[in-house]
Amino acid sequence: AQSVTQPDIHITVSEGASLELRCNYSYGATPYLFWYVQSPGQGLQLLLKYFSGDTLVQGIKGFEAEFKRSQSSFNLRKPSVHWSDAAEYFCAVGLSGNTGKLIFGQGTTLQVKP
Amino acid sequence: DTEVTQTPKHLVMGMTNKKSLKCEQHMGHRAMYWYKQKAKKPPELMFVYSYEKLSINESVPSRFSPECPNSSLLNLHLHALQPEDSALYLCASSQVWGLEQETQYFGPGTRLLVL
Repeated sequence: AQSVTQPDIHITVSEGASLELRCNYSYGATPYLFWYVQSPGQGLQLLLKYFSGDTLVQGIKGFEAEFKRSQSSFNLRKPSVHWSDAAEYFCAVGLSGNTGKLIFGQGTTLQVKP
Repeated sequence: DTEVTQTPKHLVMGMTNKKSLKCEQHMGHRAMYWYKQKAKKPPELMFVYSYEKLSINESVPSRFSPECPNSSLLNLHLHALQPEDSALYLCASSQVWGLEQETQYFGPGTRLLVL
């Protein structure tokens, strides 16, 4: 069965430091992958998505993600974290079989230290 | 414009009340979704409407009643809720339903507290 794993429940980084959030997926074919961010008490905002083509995807707010088929990973990165990046981050994959459903990971909480 | 709006932002209701949540999008999307999200958890799909018809009901209790009056509007009618129904209710939309690559755009949510 398809699944998405975000190994890190909670990550703390200092402001200005680089960030990498991990996402691993289980999927037989080419996955459709998404990263969403959720600020406290807010809805989910799409950061970026990967469907095909270039494996390095650029998103909003200075985020990027790299699709690595050999590692079944789609890690999210940012070179320099800002305090406003503190939020919950969800990785998701489109469920196969044209169900229109998203399979979400459990999320990673990012805390930013001043 | 990728905006989905939801009203109200917050709602407190008793277990005998009837209330409604409202969601609106003007992106021309023909698929709309209701999700329920508990704290520190990912969203859980409740309902999907495609072209104003209910396409998915994820075995949601009947005290939740969705309605899609037109292609831009989605309502969730609430009646006789339980305290465990307290959660953030998210609406989302996408161009169409049923494709793996469809991007869902989420609203800000309604924070519901059932007393």
